Amino acid sequence: EDQVTQSPEALRLQEGESSSLNCSYTVSGLRGLFWYRQDPGKGPEFLFTLYSAGEEKEKERLKATLTKKESFLHITAPKPEDSATYLCAVQASGANNLFFGTGTRLTVIP
Amino acid sequence: DADVTQTPRNRITKTGKRIMLECSQTKGHDRMYWYRQDPGLGLRLIYYSFDVKDINKGEISDGYSVSRQAQAKFSLSLESAIPNQTALYFCATSDGTTGKAFFGQGTRLTVV
Repeated sequence: EDQVTQSPEALRLQEGESSSLNCSYTVSGLRGLFWYRQDPGKGPEFLFTLYSAGEEKEKERLKATLTKKESFLHITAPKPEDSATYLCAVQASGANNLFFGTGTRLTVIP
Repeated sequence: DADVTQTPRNRITKTGKRIMLECSQTKGHDRMYWYRQDPGLGLRLIYYSFDVKDINKGEISDGYSVSRQAQAKFSLSLESAIPNQTALYFCATSDGTTGKAFFGQGTRLTVV
């Protein structure tokens, strides 16, 4: 059975304090791992897709990495506007949809 | 304009009432999905459709039905709403190649 576990559930950072969010997954053949950002009351917004272990993607202050068991979303020198819930999702080989974790709620304090 | 549009954005309804949530998209994608989001449970798949003639149940389809009226339109119905269907509902589309999903802004449904 596919499983996605995100940690921590919530994270408070001072502005400029770098950290990482974790997404551990169990899936029967990984087709893709996805990171989304969700602001309160809004739909998830796509950030990255990673397809194979060792792959990395970057966008501004965010960098996503992938191993065979987990993915990390590294946030470098975060700003208050990075405050949001970050969702991880996997798509298994042969699956028709994404399976989501419960998210990490990030708060960046000025 | 949003690529994936959901209506209404907010709705309060009474127990036992039938309600329809609508979704339309301009992405040109064949695949459309309905998800439900509850605090602490994440996004869970209700139904999905790969074209007008294709409808599939997700992990939590009981109490829901869907209709794919056209490639661009996918509606979700609650036949007889109950309070534990109070949640945030999202429609999404994907192209089926990358797996990347695009979400609407959501409908906040409250059943009293």
